[in-house]
This record gives sequence, C-alpha cells and structure tokens, in this order.
Amino acid sequence: QVQVLESGGGVVQPGRSLKLSCVISGVTFSRNVMHWIRQAPGKGLEWVAAIEYDGGGKFYTESVRGRFTISRDNSKDTVSLQMDSLRPEDTAVYYCASAGYLGYYMDVWGKGTTVIVSS
Amino acid sequence: EIVMTQSPATLSVSPGERATLFCRASESLSYNLAWYQQKPGQAPRLLIHGASTRATGIPARFSGSGSETEFSLTISSLQSEDVAVYYCQEYKMWPPPLTFGQGTKVEIK
Repeated sequence: QVQVLESGGGVVQPGRSLKLSCVISGVTFSRNVMHWIRQAPGKGLEWVAAIEYDGGGKFYTESVRGRFTISRDNSKDTVSLQMDSLRPEDTAVYYCASAGYLGYYMDVWGKGTTVIVSS
Repeated sequence: EIVMTQSPATLSVSPGERATLFCRASESLSYNLAWYQQKPGQAPRLLIHGASTRATGIPARFSGSGSETEFSLTISSLQSEDVAVYYCQEYKMWPPPLTFGQGTKVEIK
C-alpha cells in the first residue's frame, strides 16, 4: 500500500525559512520523479518544483527560483523542500507527489502540509 | 508558458445525468494531458492521463477525450461522491514547468 507523509509545515514570519519533508512508501522511490505542488487558500493547484529520480535535474516555478531548493535522499525514500526568504504569497497547502519515471503527471499524492507566512 | 483554460467554472448536474468538462490549451499538447479530482478537504487524485487513459482504480464512468488543444472529461452518470473540483494539467515538455487549469467545480443540482 502506498503511503505519503509530509511534515514541516507551520506558521513563519516573512523572510524566514522552513523545510518541508516527505516520506513515501509502497513505490520504487528511487525511480520516480518527485514534485511539490501548492494550493493557496481558496485557489487552484500550482506546480512548485520537481526533482528527477537521481537528483540530477531540479526544476522550479519562476516565483520560487532562487528561494526554494528541492532535494532527495533515495536511501531514505525522502524528498525535501527548503524554503528561504518566505513571502506572504507562499502561504498554501504544500503537496508532495510522485510521478513515475517520466515525471509528467502525478499518480500518488500526500495529504499536504500547511505553510502560513505571516507577521 | 502554456496556458490552460477550463470551462465552465461551475457545473451543476442532476444525479445520474452526464457531466462534461472542458480544457483548452494555448498550444498543441498532442495527447499530453492529465485530469485530477479534488474532493473537499482532500488531496488531488489522478483520474486520467494521456488524455484518455484511466488511472488505476478509476471508475469507468469517467472518460477523457481530445487532443492538440481541446480536451474534455465526461462523467457519464454523476454520483454524489463525484462532487469535487476537477483540474486538467499539461505535460507537453520536459523539463517543467507544468501547468494546471484553474479548475471546474462540479456540484449536484
């Protein structure tokens, strides 16, 4: 059975940092592209970042490039999102999702972790 | 960047009736489109990939069609448990960005 568990969300002041983590089981983690997708309150889905199966390729949406860093540890089936210089507009539920080897679409999703950026 | 436009914003359908949702891409995607269902308070769930291939465990009442720039998702006989927001997502190119539509909310009439 596939299980995805995100952690690390919380309330943080603008300009501060937060690190999200996601552990996934029941899939061949080391073969899968992993994504982070976020959803601001009352809004739609926004793709944030992706990392290829071996960590060789890392990709970001324009609004977070240079502030967020995605990483993975295949020995621990874990993907992380380091979020620096947080802004109020980063407030959202952050979902971790697995997308298979090709990485194009997300077939396994976590329940999400909430990030609130507020003074 | 590819722009995905979904219509209508909200769809009200009687139980047992057909619901058809639309998704338009700003450039040709071939068949590189996925659909997701997000029920209230839940994470999204993959319904369709490759424009028309149902994901594992998805009921047969969900079907996808279309290609290039015009796509649709049909729920052949709406059930109460189908109340949700439905999103399309393009995956024309690697590497990302990947783009979602703004969503269509399906409700029971």
